[in-house]
Amino acid sequence: NAGVTQTPKFQVLKTGQSMTLQCAQDMNHNSMYWYRQDPGMGLRLIYYSASEGTTDKGEVPNGYNVSRLNKREFSLRLESAAPSQTSVYFCASSVRTGDSYEQYFGPGTRLTVT
Amino acid sequence: AQSVTQLGSHVSVSEGALVLLRCNYSSSVPPYLFWYVQYPNQGLQLLLKYTSAATLVKGINGFEAEFKKSETSFHLTKPSAHMSDAAEYFCAVSFTGGGNKLTFGTGTQLKVEL
Repeated sequence: NAGVTQTPKFQVLKTGQSMTLQCAQDMNHNSMYWYRQDPGMGLRLIYYSASEGTTDKGEVPNGYNVSRLNKREFSLRLESAAPSQTSVYFCASSVRTGDSYEQYFGPGTRLTVT
Repeated sequence: AQSVTQLGSHVSVSEGALVLLRCNYSSSVPPYLFWYVQYPNQGLQLLLKYTSAATLVKGINGFEAEFKKSETSFHLTKPSAHMSDAAEYFCAVSFTGGGNKLTFGTGTQLKVEL
């Protein structure tokens, strides 16, 4: 049981380049999330998907697109990278336990845009 | 606006001393509250959660937190710090959906000294 996996672990892009961050979970969870983590700002939600076929914007969606390919996979795309998108990106999935949800996080992707 | 605040971006304690990490929220409705821990270069891991069943919540690794509605607080404590507790700790709150969408605090870096 690998949990939540993310690829790549590290990436360096030039301004204007595009890339897709991949995320997969093998826990059969319905909901999946993309966050970015910046120093002193905690984690901020970019997009989430409550179930296969649905996606919704979070707090900081500008400059990003997502695809919920199937129940397992949720990808994040940067169409034209900007230095402001230098960050650590975390994917998570969640399961309902009792009357609340618990989120499980991947190891992160460290992205630098020059 | 509903929000969560962590007081103190850095906390330093001696090994064996009490750990106290502060979290306050603002909300007009009872929230779901969570504490997550992040070890260096890793994703976040759930420590404990409050979902209205009990105001004192015990989590993993000897941590516990008490929900105090009158103080709108959910502080994290551990009676005796261990070197392995050195990490970043995040308080998170959900105001709807039982924690399906989380708002994170800015984090507290815990340092444990000999």
